[in-house]
Amino acid sequence: EIVLTQSPATLSLSPGERATLSCRASQSVSSYLAWYQQKPGQAPRLLIYDASNRATGIPARFSGSGSGTDFTLTISSLEPEDFAVYYCQQRSNWPHIFGQGTKLEIK
Amino acid sequence: QVQLQESGPGLVKPSETLSLTCAVSGDSISTYCWSWIRQPPGKGLEWIGYICNSETTNYNPSLKSRVTISVDTSKNRFSLKLTSVTAADTAVYYCARGGGSPGQWGQGTLVTVSS
Repeated sequence: EIVLTQSPATLSLSPGERATLSCRASQSVSSYLAWYQQKPGQAPRLLIYDASNRATGIPARFSGSGSGTDFTLTISSLEPEDFAVYYCQQRSNWPHIFGQGTKLEIK
Repeated sequence: QVQLQESGPGLVKPSETLSLTCAVSGDSISTYCWSWIRQPPGKGLEWIGYICNSETTNYNPSLKSRVTISVDTSKNRFSLKLTSVTAADTAVYYCARGGGSPGQWGQGTLVTVSS
């Protein structure tokens, strides 16, 4: 079973700053990696699929990169509504595992 | 725009069967794959399984012996059954469209396992 390790566990930044979130896979997942945003009491929201493709309606400040085992989600300039928990998820192998999450909090 | 809505008991006794339904509107259940994903309170996400083409299923090996996902095409909905539940099955259960990286999710329903 593939393990996804996200870092950091918590990221404290201010609105307007750039956020860089990391996801590392225990073995190659090719480009079959997605990123989700989850706010308290809400379902996860798909941001990025297949490593670098923005989902429908996702603002351009969100971008994804990487392949193989190392992936990055970048938020170019944080808006107040971006503070949430972010999960990566692979669909290369079954079961489709999620990472443990990175909490992006306001500094 | 597809919408998904979970329904079912919010409280299930230990050793009994958890049964949930996901009503789908705005899309045909016969198209796409449909997933169940859960999240214990304060914890991360776990994929339970999915069904494609109304019959092909894939279950998480950790739950495979206890899980059944099925589709009711006449009512455009799909269902989850999880047998022999314990407190460890307490979670928010989400239904979602897609078997890879779901883009549409239901709001989720909390199921508590307790006597």
